[in-house]
Amino acid sequence: NFMLTQPHSVSESPGRTVTISCTRNTGNIATNYVQWYQQRPGSAPTPVIYENNQRPSGVPFRFSGSVDSSSNSASLSISGLRTEDEADYYCQSFDGVNWVFGGGTTLTVL
Amino acid sequence: QVQLVESGGGVVQPGRSLRLSCGASGFTFSDYGMHWVRQAPGKGLEWVAVIWYHGNKKDHGDSVKGRFTISRDNSKNTLYLQMNSLRVEDTAIYYCVRDSMQWSTSGYFDSWGQGILVTVSS
Repeated sequence: NFMLTQPHSVSESPGRTVTISCTRNTGNIATNYVQWYQQRPGSAPTPVIYENNQRPSGVPFRFSGSVDSSSNSASLSISGLRTEDEADYYCQSFDGVNWVFGGGTTLTVL
Repeated sequence: QVQLVESGGGVVQPGRSLRLSCGASGFTFSDYGMHWVRQAPGKGLEWVAVIWYHGNKKDHGDSVKGRFTISRDNSKNTLYLQMNSLRVEDTAIYYCVRDSMQWSTSGYFDSWGQGILVTVSS
């Protein structure tokens, strides 16, 4: 099984841009799609990015995703940060056998 | 709109069994693969099990293999998780999750239930 590693926490000020990384330990990150989920306290996760860079209906353009083979990482960027973006964010991928989540990143908007 | 409602959670002693159910509505249940994903208190997400749309193929994560069984009844639009030989470390919120792809499975979980808490404690 492969693993996805995320920073435990990040923080940024309102209006700024933050980027959360998700690094795959074995296998090429670009071989399988990466998804991102937002989980606010006390709520179920909801998708914000699927298939590396696609936004589900209703997700603001402020959310974007990318994949970088050179660092074997995926990234979630949130621009124009709002207090409502404070949440846990999880990356996730599937290699045809295993569905794997990253450990999650807590975003603080202060 | 897609709605997934879990039920059957509660407090159970180690070694005992529990069955979770998930009622689905707002979509053609028999067209989609379904998953269970869990989250231990204060921890991250862990994939538990998947069942294909027809119910003839299923898979379970290593931590629950041999103890948990996923199943579905397409005539009742209901997903199940039979949990046997429960351990303290199975304590978690269990989410019923729809796979995004019709008639197959993908890497993308597009709809989640609100979750149900299972507590394993003596």
